[in-house]
Amino acid sequence: GEDVEQSLFLSVREGDSSVINCTYTDSSSTYLYWYKQEPGAGLQLLTYIFSNMDMKQDQRLTVLLNKKDKHLSLRIADTQTGDSAIYFCAEGFGDGGSQGNLIFGKGTKLSVKP
Amino acid sequence: DTAVSQTPKYLVTQMGNDKSIKCEQNLGHDTMYWYKQDSKKFLKIMFSYNNKELIINETVPNRFSPKSPDKAHLNLHINSLELGDSAVYFCASSQGWGLDEQYFGPGTRLTVT
Repeated sequence: GEDVEQSLFLSVREGDSSVINCTYTDSSSTYLYWYKQEPGAGLQLLTYIFSNMDMKQDQRLTVLLNKKDKHLSLRIADTQTGDSAIYFCAEGFGDGGSQGNLIFGKGTKLSVKP
Repeated sequence: DTAVSQTPKYLVTQMGNDKSIKCEQNLGHDTMYWYKQDSKKFLKIMFSYNNKELIINETVPNRFSPKSPDKAHLNLHINSLELGDSAVYFCASSQGWGLDEQYFGPGTRLTVT
């Protein structure tokens, strides 16, 4: 069945880079997403990558996709205290689209220490 | 301006009761969703509506019934609440039917005692 795995916790110092990893089992996903959840708030889409891409960069964020190993990572450069949140990895499925069905991981809690 | 809003934010109720959670989006989106996040933070889709029509209905007990009076609203009714229904429920919306970015509400924490 479909499964998305992430490590539950990550702690870094302000200014360092953070790397959050995700593995998934279903290779038929069309897009892979990273969402951020701040305390008491909803999920905010950070970035996404098409499944036939290897890398996508967006300012401080770099997404790497290794489709062979079914491994996705999110790198945050120059991590700030405001980056402290829970980060969810998600797969989207469907012909040319997710059809609204997203499979989420359990989330990685990122703590940034001053 | 709140894009996707849910009420109430917290809901504490006893087993056997019937309750509703409301969701409204002011983005003009065509598609709305309900997700359940369990205590281990796993998020799973329950329902999806596109232009007031049910598109996705995952394996969810019949006690859960979505109602979409119009495109901007998707309410979740739960009958005969059980302890296992305790979770955070997220509503979301997207412009179309497909890969469009989904906007999530703040979540409703339901506690069944």
